[in-house]
Amino acid sequence: KAGVTQTPRYLIKTRGQQVTLSCSPISGHRSVSWYQQTPGQGLQFLFEYFSETQRNKGNFPGRFSGRQFSNSRSEMNVSTLELGDSALYLCASSFRFGGLSGNTIYFGEGSWLTVV
Amino acid sequence: DQQVKQNSPSLSVQEGRISILNCDYTNSMFDYFLWYKKYPAEGPTFLISISSIKDKNEDGRFTVFLNKSAKHLSLHIVPSQPGDSAVYFCAASAQWSGGTSYGKLTFGQGTILTVHP
Repeated sequence: KAGVTQTPRYLIKTRGQQVTLSCSPISGHRSVSWYQQTPGQGLQFLFEYFSETQRNKGNFPGRFSGRQFSNSRSEMNVSTLELGDSALYLCASSFRFGGLSGNTIYFGEGSWLTVV
Repeated sequence: DQQVKQNSPSLSVQEGRISILNCDYTNSMFDYFLWYKKYPAEGPTFLISISSIKDKNEDGRFTVFLNKSAKHLSLHIVPSQPGDSAVYFCAASAQWSGGTSYGKLTFGQGTILTVHP
């Protein structure tokens, strides 16, 4: 069973540009969430999508946005890139209704974004 | 406001001994807890989880204990192996009590585990 797939794995962008990252969840998983990891802030929640609707949003500026398609695949977009946006962006997927046993969330390998 | 805390930045143990990683949380709405192992430049790998209806969960060499009254959980690795050396993250979510918070994990800052041969 394939895991969470993220593309691209590495990219370099210039300040002021925008970037789109893509995520394919585990087959059957309908919830996709995004996280940012930086050395200073650790792993921080960006947003979650389920059934093509944003269900949760973390404390990030409006430059960070996302969407989910009918096949559960998701994209996140960062506009007007700043140097501080350099980070590892992680996508995670889950079945979302795991019952009393819980709802395990699985992560992809991440997309390394460097803003210069 | 650090709702999930891993107070030990690093832990060093000998191969074959027990590794105990600790995690404290402050949000009483958290009802599902997960441990992840992570290498640099890679995504976190799920290890084991526990829901608030249990106080212990085992999976092979990994056991997670939950003390709800103390808002404390721990991960035990027995026996520890050199391949266990990595950063370990504790994460929490409010899956039943938090309304729409199914997919939102709050992470601790991580503990670097080093297992010496």
